[in-house]
Amino acid sequence: DAKTTQPPSMDCAEGRAANLPCNHSTISGNEYVYWYRQIHSQGPQYIIHGLKNNETNEMASLIITEDRKSSTLILPHATLRDTAVYYCIVYYNQGGKLIFGQGTELSVKP
Amino acid sequence: DTAVSQTPKYLVTQMGNDKSIKCEQNLGHDTMYWYKQDSKKFLKIMFSYNNKELIINETVPNRFSPKSPDKAHLNLHINSLELGDSAVYFCASSQGGVGGNQPQHFGDGTRLSIL
Repeated sequence: DAKTTQPPSMDCAEGRAANLPCNHSTISGNEYVYWYRQIHSQGPQYIIHGLKNNETNEMASLIITEDRKSSTLILPHATLRDTAVYYCIVYYNQGGKLIFGQGTELSVKP
Repeated sequence: DTAVSQTPKYLVTQMGNDKSIKCEQNLGHDTMYWYKQDSKKFLKIMFSYNNKELIINETVPNRFSPKSPDKAHLNLHINSLELGDSAVYFCASSQGGVGGNQPQHFGDGTRLSIL
């Protein structure tokens, strides 16, 4: 079972920041928070991951609360091409088993 | 340069047939995976291989047999295909090792349809 809880769907206006929340209240000390997205008919695309500190890359920013029980993925300027299902996953490599939940379906609207 | 490539992209075949899906990665990773995404869109791991050695086998029917000829390839052979095998199959790869700091990178999937 997935160890994360995400809203099933969200809307965002094009050009605005998209803030996608994730709860992972049972996360273990060595587990990372990962974000992937799946654009229709494509393979899951890795976005970003972190352990304790906030992280930023060319795609997004990841904000992890101090108690690590929740996190937020931020797409700073959402475009129509960011419309996808976004998956938040807690992960520690025990054979590499990524457990995908239902994710958040983000719709970016003009 | 496609990092994780799968062939074929589409596979339509009859029940009872045997088919193979191939996966290759050029990322220099030592761990490869097969995932299945069913009609309800749930993604579940099937197998993982590290340095050609089977690490995960997630209660998949033994009609499914992965084969890893080398670190860069992980093929999936399916015997006696059944209607329930219709799904999208994704290959992925990552650098192995204990820890959590190794993102998995996915291919674009093989859409298998059983008639």
